[in-house]
Amino acid sequence: SAVISQKPSRDICQRGTSLTIQCQVDSQVTMMFWYRQQPGQSLTLIATANQGSEATYESGFVIDKFPISRPNLTFSTLTVSNMSPEDSSIYLCSVASGPGEQYFGPGTRLTVT
Amino acid sequence: GQQVMQIPQYQHVQEGEDFTTYCNSSTTLSNIQWYKQRPGGHPVFLIQLVKSGEVKKQKRLTFQFGEAKKNSSLHITATQTTDVGTYFCAWGAQKLVFGQGTRLTINP
Repeated sequence: SAVISQKPSRDICQRGTSLTIQCQVDSQVTMMFWYRQQPGQSLTLIATANQGSEATYESGFVIDKFPISRPNLTFSTLTVSNMSPEDSSIYLCSVASGPGEQYFGPGTRLTVT
Repeated sequence: GQQVMQIPQYQHVQEGEDFTTYCNSSTTLSNIQWYKQRPGGHPVFLIQLVKSGEVKKQKRLTFQFGEAKKNSSLHITATQTTDVGTYFCAWGAQKLVFGQGTRLTINP
């Protein structure tokens, strides 16, 4: 299993600002994923972070709002841009250990005021 | 499109009682996984099922995948307070789609 860390663990931000979340994995992985979990809800995939190419976004998520970087096989960042209170969520990165099985980071709890 | 329903949304039991959560799909699934998320925590992988009719056990937890690969269940025997959390089914090869989750609370 992979050990995943995220920074920051939580933040309170003002609307209109941006926050960059970092995800670090202790081993090289091909694919990293970013999920959003709104309060009391399930997880929704935002995008797949691909090393050496543009991230692949799911329906309803766009690069301008959630730019992603993947500079190497152990690290990725997700930026939440021009935040509004509706962006208040837990943001989780994950890596695939094998077909289907995924390991999640501890998450970043974001509150936008 | 594919629709998967996870039920119930909430379940409250007395410690020692059994608990079951179900995921039902309108279409055949290639696989299904189960995750547990403790309050304030992140999802933790429990198991993956890929074969029709598959049954797997982990101590007090029993996982089933239906013969038609359209439904799955997670059953916990004799719940303990450590079982508290939300249980999610999920499916997909690498990009996962998660069910709505079943939140389990336990009265000690």
